[in-house]
Amino acid sequence: DTAVSQTPKYLVTQMGNDKSIKCEQNLGHDTMYWYKQDSKKFLKIMFSYNNKELIINETVPNRFSPKSPDKAHLNLHINSLELGDSAVYFCASSQAGFSGGANEQYFGPGTRLTVT
Amino acid sequence: AQTVTQSQPEMSVQEAETVTLSCTYDTSESDYYLFWYKQPPSRQMILVIRQEAYKQQNATENRFSVNFQKAAKSFSLKISDSQLGDAAMYFCAYTGGFKTIFGAGTRLFVKA
Repeated sequence: DTAVSQTPKYLVTQMGNDKSIKCEQNLGHDTMYWYKQDSKKFLKIMFSYNNKELIINETVPNRFSPKSPDKAHLNLHINSLELGDSAVYFCASSQAGFSGGANEQYFGPGTRLTVT
Repeated sequence: AQTVTQSQPEMSVQEAETVTLSCTYDTSESDYYLFWYKQPPSRQMILVIRQEAYKQQNATENRFSVNFQKAAKSFSLKISDSQLGDAAMYFCAYTGGFKTIFGAGTRLFVKA
């Protein structure tokens, strides 16, 4: 049973195209995230949703638009792809902890996006 | 703003020996979590250990333990009896509210 799944795992596309990455979790968690990991392995949060509501939106170009149709899904749509968007994108989920904030996160396998 | 610093880009350890990975963080909050995640070449992020800031006792998971010094804002990871399968990137992470900040990572090499 896959806890957090992402599709596709690899995505190669040309500049200017629009693409989507899908994420699903079957852990019953109430919070989901998107992270970007660059070529130097630096991992940075992009978005966070709690109970389908956007609660964190870091400084991300508005070409990136997350959508959470329900608590189990958080998709990422990217418009007008650029070379600098090439990275590994991770989806993650967690359950709110004792203080109302997030607990440990469970990560998907990542999507390696290559823009040519 | 919160920050997480891992000052060791790379570390190396002999199989069966012990190694300690360093992590410091900065925050003005009193309630938060700290984590160590492992990322092997498969790129899957795997939780190694977690620590709640309100707990004084250091967390332990089998061969992995932490040294949590809240006043010093330090959270180091000790790996005992290192195994070849421990070779990976290790990320220290701070979670306050719904935001998690990761350190830059430490690449651990294990020599046979």
